[in-house]
Parts: sequence; structure tokens; C-alpha cells
Amino acid sequence: EAGVTQSPTHLIKTRGQQATLRCSPISGHTSVYWYQQALGLGLQFLLWYDEGEERNRGNFPPRFSGRQFPNYSSELNVNALELEDSALYLCASSLRTGGKSKNIQYFGAGTRLSVL
Amino acid sequence: GQQLNQSPQSMFIQEGEDVSMNCTSSSIFNTWLWYKQDPGEGPVLLIALYKAGELTSNGRLTAQFGITRKDSFLNISASIPSDVGIYFCAGSDNYGQNFVFGPGTRLSVLP
Repeated sequence: EAGVTQSPTHLIKTRGQQATLRCSPISGHTSVYWYQQALGLGLQFLLWYDEGEERNRGNFPPRFSGRQFPNYSSELNVNALELEDSALYLCASSLRTGGKSKNIQYFGAGTRLSVL
Repeated sequence: GQQLNQSPQSMFIQEGEDVSMNCTSSSIFNTWLWYKQDPGEGPVLLIALYKAGELTSNGRLTAQFGITRKDSFLNISASIPSDVGIYFCAGSDNYGQNFVFGPGTRLSVLP
């Protein structure tokens, strides 16, 4: 069974441009999470999508946005790129069943975004 | 907001030694996860804990869900070079709908 897949692996952009990152969750998983990991730092929560809707958002400006498609894959869009947006962007998926269920997030390998 | 603290921040150990690290929170969690991240890769799940006091093993790794529900511990026995990486804890207070991640413990194993 395929795990979480992210594309592209690497992305190089210049300041002011827009970046689009993609994520395909594990088959059967309905929730997709996006995290930013700057070099040498921990994971900062960006966005959570479930069943096509945004469920929660981290402390990031509005130029970070995304969406989830009917097949549960997801896109993360970053507009007006700034130098400090350079980071590893990780996507995770989980099977959200609600209540006292054992939800676990499984991660992809990430997209390394470099803003020059 | 919720925050997790991990200690130590980094550690250097000799191959064959045992390792202990912990994760603490100011609030109560009902789910704890431990992940390992290799350079340039995504975190890989090591152990999941769902009940206060629970002790779970995965090979040489053992993790415990603290009785207070505000902490968790990870132990690695007889460390080997491939144990090198960053270990993250993650906690949830809503049974996994959202997780908050700790800053990580960077482990280096010296031959």
C-alpha cells in the first residue's frame, strides 16, 4: 500500500512568486495535515483538511492557503513568497473516525521549498 | 496555546548505550505519539500511546504514557548508529484530531 506522497520533492522560487505543493494521502484516509519545518526546527502546524473542508488553521498569514479535492488529495498554496518561507513542508494523513478513536498521522517525505 | 517541551534538546552517546528522553506538557493529553525523522525525510511513527500508564515497546524502543497525562518518555536500549536522527513527541487532547509537536531531541551516536 502506498504511503503519503508529496510532489515536487524540491521547489525553487524567487521572492514574490507563488508556490503550489501537492499531497496524496494514504488510500482511505480522509484527513490531510500540512506542517512547515524550517531548518533545524520542529514542526509548525499550518492547515488541516477533512472531507474537503478546512477544519483548523495554524498561526500563519492568509497567503498560506490550500484545498482538499474530492479524492482527498490536497494542495498547499503559498502566495507572495518571502525568504523566510524556505522550509521543508510536510503533509500527513490520517483516518479520522471521530470520538475516542486511535487517529494517527502518517507523514510524507516532504517538499523542500527554497525561496531565493 | 498548547506547547510541548522535549529534553534533552540534543545528546551524544556511545554505540551500545541506552538512551532516555522525555516530553512534557502543561496540559493533559489523551494520545501521545513518538516519531523519528532522518535528515531530509518526513517523520516516521515509532510508537503510539493511548492510556495513562501504558508502556509499549517496538523492538529496542520503549515508550510510556505518564500517569499525570502530562508527559511521556521514550527509551532506546543498546543504541546503534542508525538510531541517529531527531525524535519528536506529539500530543493530542482530542483523541488525535489535532496534534501538537515538540521541538525534538537530536540524537547522535558515536561509534
